[in-house]
Amino acid sequence: AQSVTQLDSHVSVSEGTPVLLRCNYSSSYSPSLFWYVQHPNKGLQLLLKYTSAATLVKGINGFEAEFKKSETSFHLTKPSAHMSDAAEYFCVVSVASGGSYIPTFGRGTSLIVHP
Amino acid sequence: GAGVSQSPSNKVTEKGKDVELRCDPISGHTALYWYRQSLGQGLEFLIYFQGNSAPDKSGLPSDRFSAERTGGSVSTLTIQRTQQEDSAVYLCASSSSTVMNTEAFFGQGTRLTVV
Repeated sequence: AQSVTQLDSHVSVSEGTPVLLRCNYSSSYSPSLFWYVQHPNKGLQLLLKYTSAATLVKGINGFEAEFKKSETSFHLTKPSAHMSDAAEYFCVVSVASGGSYIPTFGRGTSLIVHP
Repeated sequence: GAGVSQSPSNKVTEKGKDVELRCDPISGHTALYWYRQSLGQGLEFLIYFQGNSAPDKSGLPSDRFSAERTGGSVSTLTIQRTQQEDSAVYLCASSSSTVMNTEAFFGQGTRLTVV
């Protein structure tokens, strides 16, 4: 069965330092993977998605993620954290269900950014 | 409309009462999803619609939960005889299809509190 595991429930960084949010996936076929962000009291927003066109995917707000098949990983990175990046981040995989694909979420990683 | 609209944004109800949560998807989106997000938890998938049809209802937590979609547009999630454990944010999303790499667009959610 397809699933994603977010390895950290919380990540704390200082403003201006790199961000790494880890996600591993399990899939019997080449997956579609997404990262969503949820700011406090805001709706979920797509950051980026992987669809096999390129292994390095660039998203909004300076985030990017690299698909590594050998490591079954799709980690989210950003070179320099900003205070406004503080939010909950979800790794998502499309799971097959009766001929359709359902976005299935990891448990989330809370990113805390210190001044 | 411009985005996914959910109503009400907040709902406080007494234990044992029935509630209806409404989702108005993006115009033209054939797929519609319901999720539940409890405090500090990831998103729990409840049910999805392709058109007016719900092929997989196995994610609904109990037979007190039901959902329908009419005219391939608005969907209603109904919870009968609410319990305190039903307290959560209920999120609705829509997408243009249920193929593998299709992005889902989320509403702001309905925060349900059962007292």
